[in-house]
Amino acid sequence: GAVVSQHPSRVICKSGTSVKIECRSLDFQATTMFWYRQFPKQSLMLMATSNEGSKATYEQGVEKDKFLINHASLTLSTLTVTSAHPEDSSFYICSALTGQNTEAFFGQGTRLTVV
Amino acid sequence: AQSVTQPDIHITVSEGASLELRCNYSYGATPYLFWYVQSPGQGLQLLLKYFSGDTLVQGIKGFEAEFKRSQSSFNLRKPSVHWSDAAEYFCAVGGGNEKLTFGTGTRLTIIP
Repeated sequence: GAVVSQHPSRVICKSGTSVKIECRSLDFQATTMFWYRQFPKQSLMLMATSNEGSKATYEQGVEKDKFLINHASLTLSTLTVTSAHPEDSSFYICSALTGQNTEAFFGQGTRLTVV
Repeated sequence: AQSVTQPDIHITVSEGASLELRCNYSYGATPYLFWYVQSPGQGLQLLLKYFSGDTLVQGIKGFEAEFKRSQSSFNLRKPSVHWSDAAEYFCAVGGGNEKLTFGTGTRLTIIP
């Protein structure tokens, strides 16, 4: 199957700083990528849909100025958590759709801890 | 709006016993249905998917699932579980390039 690489796998940052998470499709071009957030022992909550070359579509309740998404190429989408606070600590997962758009492949996830 | 219900939060099964994880969905059209498995601190791995055709779908690691339109269900089964099957399992529904909606997950514990 297609491979999606997410980096970093773990990051610790100080409150008030910004953190960038990368999501790369390694062996296919992904016109659409998704960003999810997962709280401990809970399900995945979609944050935004990222389309190459256009603005991301955010889900209701997600602050677009806080969670900046850039999808500048067909193989890379980035999520930047700006001015991070402890409540932003979470597991962030990306997924990417292949050209057939019938299956999403997931990255390994990023554990963000804000101290 | 689409939704997924996984009624069992936690299931414990003896190694070698059979397994069934329940999933019910709500979707306005013919759904695309998925089962994913997640190990602690890891991303999601696709076990199997249903798009159309045969309602009994075979997946990886010996898993299968049956789509029952009349019951709006897509239950996951395995005839004999292994200790390595212990993980969190998520059912999801979506359509084509639409976003996936996930259930709340079922945590599977395997006892010797």
